[in-house]
Amino acid sequence: DGGITQSPKYLFRKEGQNVTLSCEQNLNHDAMYWYRQDPGQGLRLIYYSQIVNDFQKGDIAEGYSVSREKKESFPLTVTSAQKNPTAFYLCASSGTGGLAGNYEQYFGPGTRLTVT
Amino acid sequence: GQSLEQPSEVTAVEGAIVQINCTYQTSGFYGLSWYQQHDGGAPTFLSYNALDGLEETGRFSSFLSRSDSYGYLLLQELQMKDSASYFCAVMRSSASKIIFGSGTRLSIRP
Repeated sequence: DGGITQSPKYLFRKEGQNVTLSCEQNLNHDAMYWYRQDPGQGLRLIYYSQIVNDFQKGDIAEGYSVSREKKESFPLTVTSAQKNPTAFYLCASSGTGGLAGNYEQYFGPGTRLTVT
Repeated sequence: GQSLEQPSEVTAVEGAIVQINCTYQTSGFYGLSWYQQHDGGAPTFLSYNALDGLEETGRFSSFLSRSDSYGYLLLQELQMKDSASYFCAVMRSSASKIIFGSGTRLSIRP
């Protein structure tokens, strides 16, 4: 079964600790994305990567870091510099064919992070 | 700048038809997508419009007018399971990234 997995589903951390969220896909997609969603809000782009070993900041990258060492994996680290890290984090992937890429994004089930 | 506007909440009756509107302002517009998200779940892709006109997929249809920077999602024969949040999203030609609206929460009454 092709898809995107994120782990864990729920994560609790103390303030001041870095935490890494996992995202793996077996869809053979080139592009991967990390979004943050706050209650009652839309999705805001944190980072995206169009190919291995390359990634770009999204709209709210401060306090976050990523790596893309393998096509299948795009982990997100929430650092202690992120002022308000409690949120629902969603990973997505898409193909990149054509001028503007593949318009359909496939999402993982998300990780709900709570920092106290 | 870039912005997308959609109503925050819509209520409809089971079996009826509902239209969710989306207006956008962005540079490098390439297409408009719609996603559905149930509470606590992940967004799932519903439709995409790159050209003006109506695209139909079963009970759901999506419309785009590029000249008016406007689109809508039309849901017919509403079912209780359609209760969810619906997001419009603009795809830009400058990069493989999508800008999402804030979402419309659709509540369906029996």
